[in-house]
Amino acid sequence: NAGVIQTPRHKVTGKGQEATLWCEPISGHSAVFWYRQTIVQGLEFLTYFRNQAPIDDSGMPKERFSAQMPNQSHSTLKIQSTQPQDSAVYLCASSSFLDRLSGNTLYFGEGSRLIVV
Amino acid sequence: GQQVQQSPASLVLQEGENAELQCNFSTSLNSMQWFYQRPGGSLVSLFYNPSGTKHSGRLTSTTVIKERRSSLHISSSQTTDSGTYLCALELNYNQGKLIFGQGTKLSIKP
Repeated sequence: NAGVIQTPRHKVTGKGQEATLWCEPISGHSAVFWYRQTIVQGLEFLTYFRNQAPIDDSGMPKERFSAQMPNQSHSTLKIQSTQPQDSAVYLCASSSFLDRLSGNTLYFGEGSRLIVV
Repeated sequence: GQQVQQSPASLVLQEGENAELQCNFSTSLNSMQWFYQRPGGSLVSLFYNPSGTKHSGRLTSTTVIKERRSSLHISSSQTTDSGTYLCALELNYNQGKLIFGQGTKLSIKP
């Protein structure tokens, strides 16, 4: 089991450019989550999918951020017209809702560090 | 206001000492999870603990729902325990959406 795979691990982009981050969840997991981590704000929830359907995107900045899950093996987070304040580590996590004993334990990827200059 | 408050923000101990980390939440919860993060590293789940006490090696997690708190106890700390410990609150059972605290940065000196 390779765990949650995120690419790219590091991305430097110019202000105003578009950035797309990819996540491959653990095989068989039905839920995928996106979080953003900064020193100031800590870990912030962005959005999540269950069985590929968007369930809650309450944490997503409305205008420039979008997330998709076109199939059960990957999800993407796209940031249009990137701004310096978008610089953060973007973390993807997956979980299985089938394991009632351990609950909805989240398994995180290594993260994608985005730097907007 | 913040739904999840962790204390202390940072903690420095000598190797061998015990560590006690606290997490207080301002809303009713359905589950509480503890995670560990090494500097520059990913988050690793330590405990899924909606209530009561759970043990894993030198780690013990206790969640008291009525008092809206959860704690993580590390006994006989080791330098390899250094890192950030985060608690996370799941508001609605089985949705999986977690609200994280700001974390406790633990440093264990040799």
